[in-house]
Amino acid sequence: QQQVKQSPQSLIVQKGGISIINCAYENTAFDYFPWYQQFPGKGPALLIAIRPDVSEKKEGRFTISFNKSAKQFSLHIMDSQPGDSATYFCAASGGGSEKLVFGKGTKLTVNP
Amino acid sequence: DTAVSQTPKYLVTQMGNDKSIKCEQNLGHDTMYWYKQDSKKFLKIMFSYNNKELIINETVPNRFSPKSPDKAHLNLHINSLELGDSAVYFCASSQGPPPLHFGNGTRLTVT
Repeated sequence: QQQVKQSPQSLIVQKGGISIINCAYENTAFDYFPWYQQFPGKGPALLIAIRPDVSEKKEGRFTISFNKSAKQFSLHIMDSQPGDSATYFCAASGGGSEKLVFGKGTKLTVNP
Repeated sequence: DTAVSQTPKYLVTQMGNDKSIKCEQNLGHDTMYWYKQDSKKFLKIMFSYNNKELIINETVPNRFSPKSPDKAHLNLHINSLELGDSAVYFCASSQGPPPLHFGNGTRLTVT
């Protein structure tokens, strides 16, 4: 049972373009939705996170959009750069549990 | 200063051996985790400890045994290693609920 579904599996974007990664969840008890960025040979690092009381959160070029009724959230990377090339994971937790459930990841490649 | 550090970074061993991975965090967090990342990059929680007490124990073979001597350390011991145990194992920590801070992983290869 996959509690967080992420798409696409891979994404290729030109420099300066917008990268969009989508996630959907099933458990309505989830109340914390982070995105992690992972470079080869490194651990996942927290990029940005949102709670369901807001529909959007922006930090620099990174924006999370959240749709509670549809149980979906997405990551938008504006003005994508080659240095953004990494694997991105959405995740969710909540309902009193400290367990963070991850999506399967999206490998983003930004071409120069 | 490394916030969550794991040793070793690479571990190559033969089937049937027993091995340990060590993790230390200097963030003052009270919760520590072990996650497994398979060859397809899927991250799955294995265990979680809060102040040395086991609070999450997913469906993991009992060949895997975590040990937390204090709240800054969480070690993972694996008995009778199998080929399917080959993966990257990540230690992480948090102050209560997420967000999690991850180490850089231990790549385990079983031959």
